[in-house]
Amino acid sequence: GNSVTQMEGPVTLSEEAFLTINCTYTATGYPSLFWYVQYPGEGLQLLLKATKADDKGSNKGFEATYRKETTSFHLEKGSVQVSDSAVYFCALSKGFQKLVFGTGTRLLVSP
Amino acid sequence: DTEVTQTPKHLVMGMTNKKSLKCEQHMGHRAMYWYKQKAKKPPELMFVYSYEKLSINESVPSRFSPECPNSSLLNLHLHALQPEDSALYLCASSQDPGSDGYTFGSGTRLTVV
Repeated sequence: GNSVTQMEGPVTLSEEAFLTINCTYTATGYPSLFWYVQYPGEGLQLLLKATKADDKGSNKGFEATYRKETTSFHLEKGSVQVSDSAVYFCALSKGFQKLVFGTGTRLLVSP
Repeated sequence: DTEVTQTPKHLVMGMTNKKSLKCEQHMGHRAMYWYKQKAKKPPELMFVYSYEKLSINESVPSRFSPECPNSSLLNLHLHALQPEDSALYLCASSQDPGSDGYTFGSGTRLTVV
């Protein structure tokens, strides 16, 4: 079946550091890929998405590229802020199948 | 309007109580979802409504009863819950079942005492 694997957290960074959160997936064909963010005490917000190979999703300084050859969708940001501290979920969906989430990665950014 | 609105934001209920969670969207989305999220875990799908009909029930206990009165509203009726049912309950919607990108509400934090 379809699955998503994310790197274990927490990821602890200083402000203005470079961020990478790894995400790989297992699925047949070409799923759509997503990154969701969950701030403390809140629901999930769609951060970015990509629907086909080599697509790059971007939003609020975050980027992720759909790599079919490595089945990956790593999240990157060039300079993190304290306000980026949250839990980040990688997810996929395919056709009419349900959204499948990774386990989530907590990001902690210190001043 | 690009939001999914959930009420109440917090709910404390006893094991013999009956309560309901509400979810509303006015984006014209035809698929709506209930998820349950325990602390430090990803959301787990409970139910999917597609064009106002229940299309997926992920083997959820009958003490949880979903209802979709119309295309904009989704309810989750709760009865005789257990303390282990305490969690964040998230509602989401999407344009169509399986379409790209769900919009999530901010959730109802449920505590069963």
